[in-house]
Amino acid sequence: LAKTTQPISMDSYEGQEVNITCSHNNIATNDYITWYQQFPSQGPRFIIQGYKTKVTNEVASLFIPADRKSSTLSLPRVSLSDTAVYYCLVGERGSGNTGKLIFGQGTTLQVKP
Amino acid sequence: NAGVMQNPRHLVRRRGQEARLRCSPMKGHSHVYWYRQLPEEGLKFMVYLQKENIIDESGMPKERFSAEFPKEGPSILRIQQVVRGDSAAYFCASSRSGTGVANEQFFGPGTRLTVL
Repeated sequence: LAKTTQPISMDSYEGQEVNITCSHNNIATNDYITWYQQFPSQGPRFIIQGYKTKVTNEVASLFIPADRKSSTLSLPRVSLSDTAVYYCLVGERGSGNTGKLIFGQGTTLQVKP
Repeated sequence: NAGVMQNPRHLVRRRGQEARLRCSPMKGHSHVYWYRQLPEEGLKFMVYLQKENIIDESGMPKERFSAEFPKEGPSILRIQQVVRGDSAAYFCASSRSGTGVANEQFFGPGTRLTVL
């Protein structure tokens, strides 16, 4: 499974847009990019998943350039409740995937008032 | 539709005792995964099970740890003769499928094990 690199921590203020970039230089053709969010004392929660270009849902947007060697999670107008750890994962969705998720250290986002 | 349930939420054991952690997957999910999270670290995969079968246990320590997912009832992660280094949060996740587009994993709230 491809290794990911993301900033250890980020600070932001309420109402700002936050962009967290993840590098995955060795991403394979069959790999998808998935982001999870984890609040203190809770299990991770799926945010968004994509393969290429742009994906948007009610929570976030995911931007993936053509070479797919990086991706950017965009959180619009963050609030204090968005303070959490954000994990970027890459892996197959198709056959051959045993299902296990490989988590890195994640990015700790601190939203300030 | 209840989410993934884990119990107990907090478990305290003394060194040498046994710890049993339970996980009930979401309704309709037959795939269960266990992860361990040490303080200030990301989650580490331990084991992946389907009903009555262990599919991938590459992340399980060789000794003292075992997991099962019986035909009826919850999945159990069992730690024998606990040591202080076993203190961690243990998360269970479930999915409808192990592969393909339906394999999004839903996580439970975790069991926090403290070994005294």
